[in-house]
Amino acid sequence: GDSVTQMEGPVTLSEEAFLTINCTYTATGYPSLFWYVQYPGEGLQLLLKATKADDKGSNKGFEATYRKETTSFHLEKGSVQVSDSAVYFCALSGATRQTGANNLFFGTGTRLTVIP
Amino acid sequence: KAGVTQTPRYLIKTRGQQVTLSCSPISGHRSVSWYQQTPGQGLQFLFEYFSETQRNKGNFPGRFSGRQFSNSRSEMNVSTLELGDSALYLCASYSLVRSGRADEQFFGPGTRLTVL
Repeated sequence: GDSVTQMEGPVTLSEEAFLTINCTYTATGYPSLFWYVQYPGEGLQLLLKATKADDKGSNKGFEATYRKETTSFHLEKGSVQVSDSAVYFCALSGATRQTGANNLFFGTGTRLTVIP
Repeated sequence: KAGVTQTPRYLIKTRGQQVTLSCSPISGHRSVSWYQQTPGQGLQFLFEYFSETQRNKGNFPGRFSGRQFSNSRSEMNVSTLELGDSALYLCASYSLVRSGRADEQFFGPGTRLTVL
């Protein structure tokens, strides 16, 4: 079945450091891939998405490229800020004629803490 | 545009009781999905509704049920509560594009259920 494997955390970085959070997936068909972010006490917010191979999603300085050959969707940011501290979830939506559904399969989440 | 609203935000119940959670989607969205978030199992899909019809259901026991009303508002019900049902319950609302896939899914802040 469809699944997402995400880098275990927690991750602690100094401000302005480079961030990479690894994400690989298993899916039938051609899933859409997402990164969601969850701030303390809040629900999930979509950070970026990619719907087909080689697409690059980007938002707020974060980027991720849909790599079908390596089944990966790693999240990167060149210079993190304290305000980026949150939990990041990689997810896929495998909606196909067979699944007929839009349920998201999430990774376990990676807690990022950025220290000044 | 108002976001996804979930009520109540917090609930405390005891084992054996039942509970009803409510989700009001973004105006114009006809699809709603529910997720359970726990530290041990992460984010797991519960149900998906579109125009009052359940389109898909996750792997949860029959104690978990849901419905959607003509105004797209949705409720989920958990009967005979168990300690393991303690979780953050998240609702997402979205529109469907022509292919039947979801456009961006917008999450509410969640309802935190504690079962004592």
